[in-house]
Amino acid sequence: QQQVKQSPQSLIVQKGGISIINCAYENTAFDYFPWYQQFPGKGPALLIAIRPDVSEKKEGRFTISFNKSAKQFSLHIMDSQPGDSATYFCAASVYNFNKFYFGSGTKLNVKP
Amino acid sequence: DTGVSQNPRHKITKRGQNVTFRCDPISEHNRLYWYRQTLGQGPEFLTYFQNEAQLEKSRLLSDRFSAERPKGSFSTLEIQRTEQGDSAMYLCASSLLAGGYEQYFGPGTRLTVT
Repeated sequence: QQQVKQSPQSLIVQKGGISIINCAYENTAFDYFPWYQQFPGKGPALLIAIRPDVSEKKEGRFTISFNKSAKQFSLHIMDSQPGDSATYFCAASVYNFNKFYFGSGTKLNVKP
Repeated sequence: DTGVSQNPRHKITKRGQNVTFRCDPISEHNRLYWYRQTLGQGPEFLTYFQNEAQLEKSRLLSDRFSAERPKGSFSTLEIQRTEQGDSAMYLCASSLLAGGYEQYFGPGTRLTVT
């Protein structure tokens, strides 16, 4: 079964708006939650990541919110720009970080 | 460029043929991973190496697939007797064993089986 569920599948946001992508997981052993950005024809690029000992992490316009009790985490992109248009994947892994379980992806389109 | 590199970037092959892909990780990265990504989906784990040892293989990795990392540096992924269902992007990632969880991905090899 899918270890990490991601929504929405696609998202359209106006320039300057906030993009929000959500992920949920079941395995309570997961303790590392990265977000990756992928442009067409390219490999995924690490954007930001969080450990469950904090509830929020911010890097520039990108923020991860983490709710351990609900087993959910989300990516917020503030002041979204057309250059942010890409597919975003959440992922999760267990402490020995041998493999990531990825969500199915969210295709973000930021309209100018 | 000191990132993860993969070759070839694109491969078109006929069903039944064998193909081999190469991945060069970031130097000094102990761990190397292979993932497969089909259109509209997230990457799925195939296998990983710690130095030259292959430590885990996914059930997705049928006996037609074999991976090696002979001296703990570059890795190859071979698919024998390719099938149309093997058409996908094959991604390689690497990470340090200690200090962090970050996996850095290469650009991938796009395989098309006709």
